[in-house]
Amino acid sequence: EAGVAQSPRYKIIEKRQSVAFWCNPISGHATLYWYQQILGQGPKLLIQFQNNGVVDDSQLPKDRFSAERLKGVDSTLKIQPAKLEDSAVYLCASNREGRNEQYFGPGTRLTVT
Amino acid sequence: DAKTTQPTSMDCAEGRAANLPCNHSTISGNEYVYWYRQIHSQGPQYIIHGLKNNETNEMASLIITEDRKSSTLILPHATLRDTAVYYCIVSATGTASKLTFGTGTRLQVTL
Repeated sequence: EAGVAQSPRYKIIEKRQSVAFWCNPISGHATLYWYQQILGQGPKLLIQFQNNGVVDDSQLPKDRFSAERLKGVDSTLKIQPAKLEDSAVYLCASNREGRNEQYFGPGTRLTVT
Repeated sequence: DAKTTQPTSMDCAEGRAANLPCNHSTISGNEYVYWYRQIHSQGPQYIIHGLKNNETNEMASLIITEDRKSSTLILPHATLRDTAVYYCIVSATGTASKLTFGTGTRLQVTL
């Protein structure tokens, strides 16, 4: 079984630019999560999708972050405009309906200069 | 979700058992204890979870105290590849449940 795929693996942008990250979850996994992990901290949930509907986006900074999951499969997380404090690893995870174990992708390391 | 407390770091000699403690004194009756680990530059990896009974799988054993206020993750024969940050998380099951990660325990396995 293929794991969670994410791209790109690394991205460097200047502040005020925009950036997008892509995630393809494990086949058949209905729930998809985006986390932000700042250096030295644990991952923090940004948004959770169940199929193509949002379950929880309470910690997503909606003035600059957006996410979508068209057709309930892959997902895109966008930041526009980026700030220095957005420098972090962005992790995507998925799990099968009815199960709580989440499977994580390798993450995208974003550096904002 | 209940909060957890873990030591910041631990060391373990290769081949010995690594016992990682976690306190979760405010755990609710419907909350499970989950353990994940994160090897450097990788995403977190699910290890094991349990409600009140002890659990074992191919990776580890989970011992939960009878009052459920604490637990211990046991790696029976630690190897260098087990060096990672280990996260103990309590969470209710269900579609809307989420994982709240703390800062975890950094386990260093040495020769």
